[in-house]
Amino acid sequence: GESVGLHLPTLSVQEGDNSIINCAYSNSASDYFIWYKQESGKGPQFIIDIRSNMDKRQGQRVTVLLNKTVKHLSLQIAATQPGDSAVYFCAEMPSSYKLIFGSGTRLLVRP
Amino acid sequence: EAQVTQNPRYLITVTGKKLTVTCSQNMNHEYMSWYRQDPGLGLRQIYYSMNVEVTDKGDVPEGYKVSRKEKRNFPLILESPSPNQTSLYFCASRLAGLRDTQYFGPGTRLTVL
Repeated sequence: GESVGLHLPTLSVQEGDNSIINCAYSNSASDYFIWYKQESGKGPQFIIDIRSNMDKRQGQRVTVLLNKTVKHLSLQIAATQPGDSAVYFCAEMPSSYKLIFGSGTRLLVRP
Repeated sequence: EAQVTQNPRYLITVTGKKLTVTCSQNMNHEYMSWYRQDPGLGLRQIYYSMNVEVTDKGDVPEGYKVSRKEKRNFPLILESPSPNQTSLYFCASRLAGLRDTQYFGPGTRLTVL
């Protein structure tokens, strides 16, 4: 499949452990944030989103935390599984039509 | 099956030879967008379209053109490709709402020699 990045920061976790992926965003005006998962050879896939009037949102096995004071997002994955191995991107939306992606983090799950 | 399709998936071409990458969605989405993905840079927006005949530049539009004559199609045109346009390209679409989920195509790997 296509390589999505040769110099990505990598997080390696043991299967069953929790994973935390961090992201700093740039635009104070952004009011909507999204986490995407990209598997090898595929396009990004929506995981979870959060609006700027919230500081936490939970999905199935995933939680997103937003700290607007320091412009920081994190994605927590509970009980990480081999199928979670992928590149994860945060994205911010400073306007209705623009989406700005971070550079991504590679998650490797050790069996 | 609801999806975004791109063609071709892989293309090797030479400098200056005009090419078009097609994008089509079957979800009746108003909004469509093109991104390029380069190592260490994440995805960067090239052009987007809010609806038929309405397009606008993203962050890296130089060297690209788009058109939106029909709702389902949003082709990306490289009139005179150059080696710095070698990249992985993604098309995406969503409904008009700000927080509607954006669906991505499978990607097109373009190499310009």
